[in-house]
Amino acid sequence: KNQVEQSPQSLIILEGKNCTLQCNYTVSPFSNLRWYKQDTGRGPVSLTIMTFSENTKSNGRYTATLDADTKQSSLHITASQLSDSASYICVVREQTGANNLFFGTGTRLTVIP
Amino acid sequence: DTGVSQNPRHKITKRGQNVTFRCDPISEHNRLYWYRQTLGQGPEFLTYFQNEAQLEKSRLLSDRFSAERPKGSFSTLEIQRTEQGDSAMYLCASSLAEGDTEAFFGQGTRLTVV
Repeated sequence: KNQVEQSPQSLIILEGKNCTLQCNYTVSPFSNLRWYKQDTGRGPVSLTIMTFSENTKSNGRYTATLDADTKQSSLHITASQLSDSASYICVVREQTGANNLFFGTGTRLTVIP
Repeated sequence: DTGVSQNPRHKITKRGQNVTFRCDPISEHNRLYWYRQTLGQGPEFLTYFQNEAQLEKSRLLSDRFSAERPKGSFSTLEIQRTEQGDSAMYLCASSLAEGDTEAFFGQGTRLTVV
């Protein structure tokens, strides 16, 4: 069964600190993995995409990693800001004609001053 | 602004009433997806279209749910005889069909059934 699991479910950190969010998946065949940021009451917005051959990709203060062998990804946020408070959702696309997307339940990050 | 537009943003309805939501995707995108998201959960896939063809609808939650995309552009999602359990955020997304393409999401329609 194609699944995407994220941990932790929620996280509270002090402004300026770093954090790492985890995503494990069983989706197969694998096409790509995206991390989305979803602000409360808004639709998800893509932060970064990882394909099979990529191990690390950075987008500003966000760095995503992918281990396709163990089917794990992480999202590392450095020097957190109050505006980073949001849900971070891991989305895996399967490589079939349907190109279905499978969503994790997200990690709710709260950055406090 | 992602370019995917959903209307209305919020809808409050009485139990038993029918509701219809609209999604206008990014104009060159031929794929359109509908998702439901309840509090604290990731989006749950409902159905998707490629152009005007509805390619997957088995995961619509019940026969009270239906979706259309008559001209391959905008889409509507209708819920008949709403129940309190239908209260959720309904998200629409669009993408190109081929390649490692990103799905762009609208801001959603928040449905509250009272």
